[in-house]
Amino acid sequence: DIVMTQSPDSLDVSLGERATINCKSSQSVLHSSNSKNYLAWYQQKPGQPPKLLIYWASTRESGVPDRFSGSGSGTDFTLTISSLQAEDVAIYYCQQYYTNPPWTFGQGTKVEIK
Amino acid sequence: QVQLRESGPGLVKPSETLSLTCTVSGGSISGYYWSWIRQPPGKRLEYVGYISKTGTTNYNPSLTSRVAISVDTSKNQFSLNVNSVTAADTAVYYCARIGSGTSTPDRGFGNFDYWGRGSLVTVSS
Repeated sequence: DIVMTQSPDSLDVSLGERATINCKSSQSVLHSSNSKNYLAWYQQKPGQPPKLLIYWASTRESGVPDRFSGSGSGTDFTLTISSLQAEDVAIYYCQQYYTNPPWTFGQGTKVEIK
Repeated sequence: QVQLRESGPGLVKPSETLSLTCTVSGGSISGYYWSWIRQPPGKRLEYVGYISKTGTTNYNPSLTSRVAISVDTSKNQFSLNVNSVTAADTAVYYCARIGSGTSTPDRGFGNFDYWGRGSLVTVSS
């Protein structure tokens, strides 16, 4: 199975400041046939299910604010919140869907307000 | 707006069978694949398995000998059974839609665009 490792485990950021979350996969999730990275990001607010934010490593899901952006390729990826809002307090997960299942998730990064 | 809702017992005894049902509303179960994902307390999300409208299934190899997913298109429902449960099966169980179907953007196969709110199942005597 591909192991997904996120860093840091938690992050305290001031309102309006940038938050950066890293995700590393144990093997490349870049598919040579279409040059796409099979990597998604989710946001999970307290008491709610995960919400799909980004797929193909950098494509925002419809309705997701543009302060959320994804980048990276191969094995190293980043989710950036450009200007943290109070409603962004959540746990963020990366997930690979490169291989046949089992698709795997990172351990999560908790983002809180400083 | 598609909505998913899990239902089933919140407490299961060790060695017995955990059974959950996911009811899909606001859209048809046809044309999509549907999945179960679980999250043990303090641990990461874990893929359990998926099913198509025609009954094609895939299970996590770590669970495949104990897991079965079925679908009832007439009721717009799909279900999960996990047999011979132990305390390690205690988790919040989510049902989710795989985000690749007839009316979705090309997201690739294997991410999840709609989720239920989750159902906590505790295995304890």
